[in-house]
Amino acid sequence: DGGITQSPKYLFRKEGQNVTLSCEQNLNHDAMYWYRQDPGQGLRLIYYSQIVNDFQKGDIAEGYSVSREKKESFPLTVTSAQKNPTAFYLCASTHSGNEKLFFGSGTQLSVL
Amino acid sequence: QKEVEQNSGPLSVPEGAIASLNCTYSDRVSQSFFWYRQYSGKSPELIMSIYSNGDKEDGRFTAQLNKASQYVSLLIRDSQPSDSATYLCAVNPYNTDKLIFGTGTRLQVFP
Repeated sequence: DGGITQSPKYLFRKEGQNVTLSCEQNLNHDAMYWYRQDPGQGLRLIYYSQIVNDFQKGDIAEGYSVSREKKESFPLTVTSAQKNPTAFYLCASTHSGNEKLFFGSGTQLSVL
Repeated sequence: QKEVEQNSGPLSVPEGAIASLNCTYSDRVSQSFFWYRQYSGKSPELIMSIYSNGDKEDGRFTAQLNKASQYVSLLIRDSQPSDSATYLCAVNPYNTDKLIFGTGTRLQVFP
């Protein structure tokens, strides 16, 4: 079955630690996105990528980093510079920017 | 002004009624508009997409787009308790490759 796989489902970060969230898709989509969702809030764009080896900052990129070495994969690293990382992180993909997004099941990140 | 605005709710409607959800956007030349449904703790799922002025119907759902007034709405007929969720409006601004989401409207359908 085609889809987007995010892992882990739950992740705990210690102070000063970098953590990486995985996102893999087998839909052959060119564009991939990372969103952050805080309780009772909408989705805010962190980073997005239209092609391999290229990505752009979204609205809240500070404290995060990404890579796009393969079409299928778009991992997100939450660095120690992100002081308030507790949130629900969603990865999404699409053929092009104006088409519907397909979402992964999300990763809930919490701080120990 | 936020790029995409929605009333956070909750919007409470009785079972069988019509639920009306509204969304306004700031970019006058936005091209694509989407409604997503999100259950608590789950990822959003696409309900409707609309690209041109007017109404688009799919089962119990109707999306309405008015580009001159910069609003898009979602009507849910014969509302069911299973429709209780947060509904997110998303807009693709002109000449961009990203979707901007509103904060969502929480809908509660009571028996």
